Amino acid sequence: EIVLTQSPATLSLSPGERATLSCRASQSVSRYLAWYQQKPGQAPRLLIYDASNRATGTPARFSGSGSGTDFTLTISSLDPEDFAVYYCQQRSNWLFTFGPGTKVDIK
Amino acid sequence: QVLLQESGPGLVKPSETLSLTCTVSGGSVSSGSHYWSWIRQPPGKGLEWIGYTYYTGSTKYNPSLKSRVTISVDTSKNQFSLKLSSVTAADTAVYYCARVMVQSWFAPWGQGTRVTVSS
Repeated sequence: EIVLTQSPATLSLSPGERATLSCRASQSVSRYLAWYQQKPGQAPRLLIYDASNRATGTPARFSGSGSGTDFTLTISSLDPEDFAVYYCQQRSNWLFTFGPGTKVDIK
Repeated sequence: QVLLQESGPGLVKPSETLSLTCTVSGGSVSSGSHYWSWIRQPPGKGLEWIGYTYYTGSTKYNPSLKSRVTISVDTSKNQFSLKLSSVTAADTAVYYCARVMVQSWFAPWGQGTRVTVSS
């Protein structure tokens, strides 16, 4: 099973600042990596798929990069609505796993 | 716009079977373009993929749950279902159904249904 680790666990930033979230896979997942945003009491929402493609409705301030084992989600300038938990997810051998999440909270 | 809605009991007794249904609207489980999946989230914790089904009835399960999980599809009702047997308190979670895009990503998700395992 491929294990995903995310860092940091919590990121405390102010609106307007840049956020950089990391996701590392225990073995290569090529570019089969997605990012989700989850707000309290809501279901997760797909933000990025195939490592760097924005899903429909994802603002341009969100960008994804990486391949193989190391991936990054960048929020160029935090909007108040961006404070949430972010999960990465991979698909390999038709099995899926999620990372433990990074919480982006208001400093 | 495809919408998914989970339904089922909110309380299940230990050792019994948890049963949930996901109703799909605005799209068809028979489309052949997507898989249909269940994911859960224990209180205050992260996401765990449970498994998926295809309109043909084929399935794939998380190895850690495989012995207890059955996911099935009912194309006539445009629904798919989850059964989890021999539940314990560790199975207490919000259960989400979701469409699997391009066999790889989950979108959209249902709003989730909270299931508590308790006597």
